[in-house]
Amino acid sequence: GNSVTQMEGPVTLSEEAFLTINCTYTATGYPSLFWYVQYPGEGLQLLLKATKADDKGSNKGFEATYRKETTSFHLEKGSVQVSDSAVYFCALSDRGGSNYKLTFGKGTLLTVNP
Amino acid sequence: SQTIHQWPATLVQPVGSPLSLECTVEGTSNPNLYWYRQAAGRGLQLLFYSVGIGQISSEVPQNLSASRPQDRQFILSSKKLLLSDSGFYLCAWGGSQETQYFGPGTRLLVL
Repeated sequence: GNSVTQMEGPVTLSEEAFLTINCTYTATGYPSLFWYVQYPGEGLQLLLKATKADDKGSNKGFEATYRKETTSFHLEKGSVQVSDSAVYFCALSDRGGSNYKLTFGKGTLLTVNP
Repeated sequence: SQTIHQWPATLVQPVGSPLSLECTVEGTSNPNLYWYRQAAGRGLQLLFYSVGIGQISSEVPQNLSASRPQDRQFILSSKKLLLSDSGFYLCAWGGSQETQYFGPGTRLLVL
């Protein structure tokens, strides 16, 4: 079956540091890949996505490139801010009939200190 | 634009009591609807999904059930809560595209 593995947290950085959160996946076929972010006490928000190999998703300074050869979708940001503190989830989609199912990683807690 | 609502936001219930969590979506028709549970320190687990009124698929056997009485309403229920039912419950909707959009969640504590 499908699975997503992302680096265990927590990750603690100082403001303006470079961020990488690793994500690798196992899937049959050609899934789309997503990063979601969850701020404290809230639901999940879509951060970015990529639908095919070599696509780069980007939003709010975050980027991730769909690497089919390494089955990876690592999240990066050049300069993090305190407001980026949240839990980040990598996910892939798998279509079954008329419905898409998401498989999530366990999440990585990021804390950015001023 | 589409919005998704969940209530209540927080719920504390005794073991053995019933449960009803509600999710409604606005601004879209015939969405796919999903219930997830997020246990402390763990990822999201898909519990149920629905592609239409009255159509429910269960992903894992458990103490919970789901219903979709109207196109944009999705309800999560239990007849008797267990301690292990505690967690953060998230409802999501998706359309013809594969992206899912999540509600604010309900935090359930079973004592």
